[in-house]
Amino acid sequence: DQQVKQNSPSLSVQEGRISILNCDYTNSMFDYFLWYKKYPAEGPTFLISISSIKDKNEDGRFTVFLNKSAKHLSLHIVPSQPGDSAVYFCAASTGNQFYFGTGTSLTVIP
Amino acid sequence: ETGVTQTPRHLVMGMTNKKSLKCEQHLGHNAMYWYKQSAKKPLELMFVYNFKEQTENNSVPSRFSPECPNSSHLFLHLHTLQPEDSALYLCASSQDNEKLFFGSGTQLSVL
Repeated sequence: DQQVKQNSPSLSVQEGRISILNCDYTNSMFDYFLWYKKYPAEGPTFLISISSIKDKNEDGRFTVFLNKSAKHLSLHIVPSQPGDSAVYFCAASTGNQFYFGTGTSLTVIP
Repeated sequence: ETGVTQTPRHLVMGMTNKKSLKCEQHLGHNAMYWYKQSAKKPLELMFVYNFKEQTENNSVPSRFSPECPNSSHLFLHLHTLQPEDSALYLCASSQDNEKLFFGSGTQLSVL
């Protein structure tokens, strides 16, 4: 049973606009939520994370929002740049167990 | 460069072959992981080692055999694999269950 879900396999956004990637989870025991970015032929690289006790974390153009009551988190990228085009994975962790979604492929159109 | 190095980057093997995937981390982390990524599926955790001791084995078939000789090195020994085992195999490390640092992966094709 998949504990972390990304229901949008792909997203296209115009350069300069906001990209919003969504993720849902089922396990209320998760401690941390993370976003990873993956380019073809490379491993995922860490982007940003948020503790379960917070509802927002910001790092430059990237902001992650956590809604615990809805078991939902989102990643906002603003302004979007062509170099942001990649697959984005949502992940959640408890202890040493990390659970990943299936990814959302973001295309930023110049 | 994430500090986690995997070799080889690509591997093609027959179902009767024996091969090994290698992972080395230069970050001083205390946990190492093997993940499998198949097309259109989430990353699947295979094995976790904390301080060289295996702590998780997520019902992985015995044709996959991990080895962790020390905190910096992790191997995945492969034998008599099936075509459905073709996937990207990712190694990762972490410190105290914080974020994972991934290697570039080994793209495995089983013929």
